[in-house]
Amino acid sequence: SQTIHQWPATLVQPVGSPLSLECTVEGTSNPNLYWYRQAAGRGLQLLFYSVGIGQISSEVPQNLSASRPQDRQFILSSKKLLLSDSGFYLCAWSEAGHTEAFFGQGTRLTVV
Amino acid sequence: KQEVTQIPAALSVPEGENLVLNCSFTDSAIYNLQWFRQDPGKGLTSLLLIQSSQREQTSGRLNASLDKSSGRSTLYIAASQPGDSATYLCAVRLGGSQGNLIFGKGTKLSVKP
Repeated sequence: SQTIHQWPATLVQPVGSPLSLECTVEGTSNPNLYWYRQAAGRGLQLLFYSVGIGQISSEVPQNLSASRPQDRQFILSSKKLLLSDSGFYLCAWSEAGHTEAFFGQGTRLTVV
Repeated sequence: KQEVTQIPAALSVPEGENLVLNCSFTDSAIYNLQWFRQDPGKGLTSLLLIQSSQREQTSGRLNASLDKSSGRSTLYIAASQPGDSATYLCAVRLGGSQGNLIFGKGTKLSVKP
C-alpha cells in the first residue's frame, strides 16, 4: 500500500533563517506531488506541484521554492523565512491521471 | 476562476442525528470532487471521491452526491457520533495537465454526546 511521510511535524524558526521540509511517498511510481499551505481562517492554498523529477510548477509567487530530486521525494525550501510564512504545510500525492489525492500529516511552521 | 464554497462554516448537532454538509463550485468543468476530513492539527483524510461522470458515492455512514450541472455536492452523514467531530473539506479537481485541487474553507462539525 502507498504511504506518505512528511517531517518535521512542528517547527519554530526565527525570521531570516532557512527552511527545508521534506515529503516522501512509498509504494507508487511517478506520482504527482503537491505542497499546500493552510493559514488560519483560509482554505488550503496550492503552492507547488510536480508531475516528474525536476519538474516544478509554482502557483503563487512568494518566498518559497520546491524541488524534486528523486521520483518520490518533494522538498519545500526557503532561503530566508518571513513572519508571513507561518502556517500549516501539507504535502499530497496522487497518481498521474488525476485520481484520488492523499495527504501527509502536515508541518506546523511558526516563524518568530 | 473556480471557487468552492462550503455552508455552513460550523455545525453543532446532538449525537444520532443525520446531517448534510453542502459544497458548491462556480465552474462545472471539473474532473472529480473529493471530500476530506481534518482533525485539529492533523493532515487530511480522504473520505470519498466522486468522478465527474458519477452521481454519488457511499462509504459506511457517509454518502456524497454530485450535481455537476448545478455546481453542487452534498455529504450526508447518517447517525452521527461524537467521533465524527472534525472539519470537513470539499475539493474539486480541475481538468487539464495540472489537475490541481481547489478547496473550500470547510465545515467544522461538532457532534455532542
